[in-house]
Amino acid sequence: GENVEQHPSTLSVQEGDSAVIKCTYSDSASNYFPWYKQELGKRPQLIIDIRSNVGEKKDQRIAVTLNKTAKHFSLHITETQPEDSAVYFCAATIHTTGNQFYFGTGTSLTVIP
Amino acid sequence: GAVVSQHPSRVICKSGTSVKIECRSLDFQATTMFWYRQFPKKSLMLMATSNEGSKATYEQGVEKDKFLINHASLTLSTLTVTSAHPEDSSFYICSARSAIQSGAFAYGYTFGSGTRLTVV
Repeated sequence: GENVEQHPSTLSVQEGDSAVIKCTYSDSASNYFPWYKQELGKRPQLIIDIRSNVGEKKDQRIAVTLNKTAKHFSLHITETQPEDSAVYFCAATIHTTGNQFYFGTGTSLTVIP
Repeated sequence: GAVVSQHPSRVICKSGTSVKIECRSLDFQATTMFWYRQFPKKSLMLMATSNEGSKATYEQGVEKDKFLINHASLTLSTLTVTSAHPEDSSFYICSARSAIQSGAFAYGYTFGSGTRLTVV
């Protein structure tokens, strides 16, 4: 099955700086890679996603890049704000068959004011 | 957008009792429900996958007789933790899958709000 690894497990940045979280996956058949933000005790919220036919996607301060050859994808948050502090999870799945998501281990991001 | 209502949000129960968690899709039909478990500061671990009208498929290491899953309708799936023990204390969350379009990338996934179970 799919194996998703995520790094770093914790990340602290100063407000205004950028944050980068990286994930690798093992199954070359995976074609959908969502990123979720989870605040303590809350449900994961989809913040951005990317499909295998795209190399990069951007939504305001958030961007995701995908390297299919290397089987890794990254989340980039620019101009970080304290409200960006949360746990971020990457995931991979074969979306066309409606499979389960395989989640990374999570990154606890702290933005220091 | 699609909404999944999960109840209860928090429950405290005594060791040995059973607890039922419900997930309802409010404005769409959830053909498949994924049930996850999350320990503090850990990732979401899939426990089982249930399709409406059929038996759930459990992940390796998950006791199907302890975690009973029912998906009797396209809008309701339940997880019952039977004979709960303190080690079952965790955050349980469902994710409903719906068909949103034909062809590639045809599925939508919506998380419930989660249930914090504490067994004392």
